[in-house]
Amino acid sequence: SQQGEEDPQALSIQEGENATMNCSYKTSINNLQWYRQNSGRGLVHLILIRSNEREKHSGRLRVTLDTSKKSSSLLITASRAADTASYFCATDGAGYALNFGKGTSLLVTP
Amino acid sequence: EAGVAQSPRYKIIEKRQSVAFWCNPISGHATLYWYQQILGQGPKLLIQFQNNGVVDDSQLPKDRFSAERLKGVDSTLKIQPAKLEDSAVYLCASSLDLGETQYFGPGTRLLVL
Repeated sequence: SQQGEEDPQALSIQEGENATMNCSYKTSINNLQWYRQNSGRGLVHLILIRSNEREKHSGRLRVTLDTSKKSSSLLITASRAADTASYFCATDGAGYALNFGKGTSLLVTP
Repeated sequence: EAGVAQSPRYKIIEKRQSVAFWCNPISGHATLYWYQQILGQGPKLLIQFQNNGVVDDSQLPKDRFSAERLKGVDSTLKIQPAKLEDSAVYLCASSLDLGETQYFGPGTRLLVL
């Protein structure tokens, strides 16, 4: 079953703007990960945040995690056309297999 | 470091035929996963191996799907017989160990006619 729910389902912004995607989940987790998927391609790992962490940065990416609200957000700053992709959050359970949401489709226009 | 390799990249078959997918994980990765991704949805776990043992196959349709990971390295996923609803991308992922970052292969896109 899919645990993560991304919001919004689709997001359209212009280059240079920031993009924020949210993820909510239902049960306790060990880790939460964000992945990017370009059309017709495989999933690319962006960032992993552990349940005892609150914020993590990687380049233009900033991820926050609020375990009390069972939610996470992914911020992409100064977006580029190349950031156009689908973004998925994935939570893990007892066996560490990932439960993915349906994703947020991001379109960045020049 | 080489990534996760999968083959074939594309496969078209007719319903009731059988098909097999192959995955070679990143060298040294103990954990291997097979996911199914239907168009417009996120990936869904089919089966998870730790070395050559099955950790979780609760969502694998065992009447038609089978998977093995002999010698704890490469893995194959088989569908027999295929149904129309099996049309999807089959993704293989591996991680160094349980709870570590999962790295995905490019996937095999299956179309069942």
